[in-house]
Amino acid sequence: GQNIDQPTEMTATEGAIVQINCTYQTSGFNGLFWYQQHAGEAPTFLSYNVLDGLEEKGRFSSFLSRSKGYSYLLLKELQMKDSASYLCAVKDSNYQLIWGAGTKLIIKP
Amino acid sequence: IAGITQAPTSQILAAGRRMTLRCTQDMRHNAMYWYRQDLGLGLRLIHYSNTAGTTGKGEVPDGYSVSRANTDDFPLTLASAVPSQTSVYFCASSDSPGQGNTEAFFGQGTRLTVV
Repeated sequence: GQNIDQPTEMTATEGAIVQINCTYQTSGFNGLFWYQQHAGEAPTFLSYNVLDGLEEKGRFSSFLSRSKGYSYLLLKELQMKDSASYLCAVKDSNYQLIWGAGTKLIIKP
Repeated sequence: IAGITQAPTSQILAAGRRMTLRCTQDMRHNAMYWYRQDLGLGLRLIHYSNTAGTTGKGEVPDGYSVSRANTDDFPLTLASAVPSQTSVYFCASSDSPGQGNTEAFFGQGTRLTVV
């Protein structure tokens, strides 16, 4: 079967750095996405990785290792508004998105 | 502002009733999707449509039906609602479904409670 694993919840301090991990086992791979979802709102796109390595976009970076079936989202200089759930998703061989359950990130002052 | 609009935003429905959740996009995207989101579970695909006139079943299609008469609209129908269909429903769209790097855009969600 297809599976995406992420930690359920993480806590970090304002101004710090946090890394959210995602491991996947899917039938085929056509890219990995990270989305942010604030409570009661829709998911919004953060990043896309299809090749191994690090993609940097402002305070957020995303890393992919296809051989290990592993990705992480790195958030720097954390702000209170970063409190949200972060969803990892993989496009499988049929180009359908398979979603992890999400990681709820709690930022403390 | 371009995007996806869902209606209603929330609904309480009696078990056994029929209900249609509406979804409209104005981005001219080819593909549209219906997901349900339940606590502790990832988004699960109910049905999808890669282009107007075609639909396909996702991971959890039972009890739901869809139609795609045109590019913009993708309604989801619950023929006879059951309490296990209590969930938050998200409609999404993307361009070029056969490409890897096309992101999905989501509507604001419909919170449905079946009692």
